Amino acid sequence: QVQLQESGPGLVKPPETLSLTCAVSGYSISSGYYWGWIRQPPGKGLEWIGTIYHSGSTYYNPSLKSRVTISVDTSKNQFSLKLSSLTAADTAVYYCARHSGSYCFDYWGQGTLVTVSS
Amino acid sequence: QSALTQPRSVSGSPGQSVTISCTGTSSDVGGYNYVSWYQQHPGKAPKLIMYDVSERPSGVPDRFSGSKSGNTASLTISGLQAEDEADYYCCSYAGSSTHVLFGGGTKLTVL
Repeated sequence: QVQLQESGPGLVKPPETLSLTCAVSGYSISSGYYWGWIRQPPGKGLEWIGTIYHSGSTYYNPSLKSRVTISVDTSKNQFSLKLSSLTAADTAVYYCARHSGSYCFDYWGQGTLVTVSS
Repeated sequence: QSALTQPRSVSGSPGQSVTISCTGTSSDVGGYNYVSWYQQHPGKAPKLIMYDVSERPSGVPDRFSGSKSGNTASLTISGLQAEDEADYYCCSYAGSSTHVLFGGGTKLTVL
């Protein structure tokens, strides 16, 4: 069974950079599939942030592209998100998920709440 | 690009059927058969319940069905049960520039 687990700080100051990691178990990232990040502000809907292929190719939400970097570490079977120039509007639950060939997210992490506040 | 359009809320009584719509454009919903749906209970991660418009992942009851007509996709839940009360989100591939769009979400209340 594929499992994903996000980790990172729960509180970040503006305008610092958020760094989150998603550890994958039950599947080797190097075997394939895409891997993505999605966020959900409190009480609001889902927003796709970006996706990375195991080879390192990346695809970002155009509205966040200038602030986002997603990377993969196949040796540790994990992938990471960096989001820079944070503001209060970036406060959200951040999810990592497997992004399948049908462009859907079939396995999700439990999510981690990140609050941006000074 | 804007999020896909979903009704804010729908409701139905146990045993009834409800349909949730998801309207996009010819650049996303209408242009590809890559519409997926997610069920999210409070405090939980979203769960994939439909992909490729009408395909159900293993373990999802056949009470859930999906369809698409033009730029609008739909999720129908028949034989409503109390545990179906949740938020539902649609998602579509939106081409090589935008890639992925989510709908704004629909809150389903089982009366």
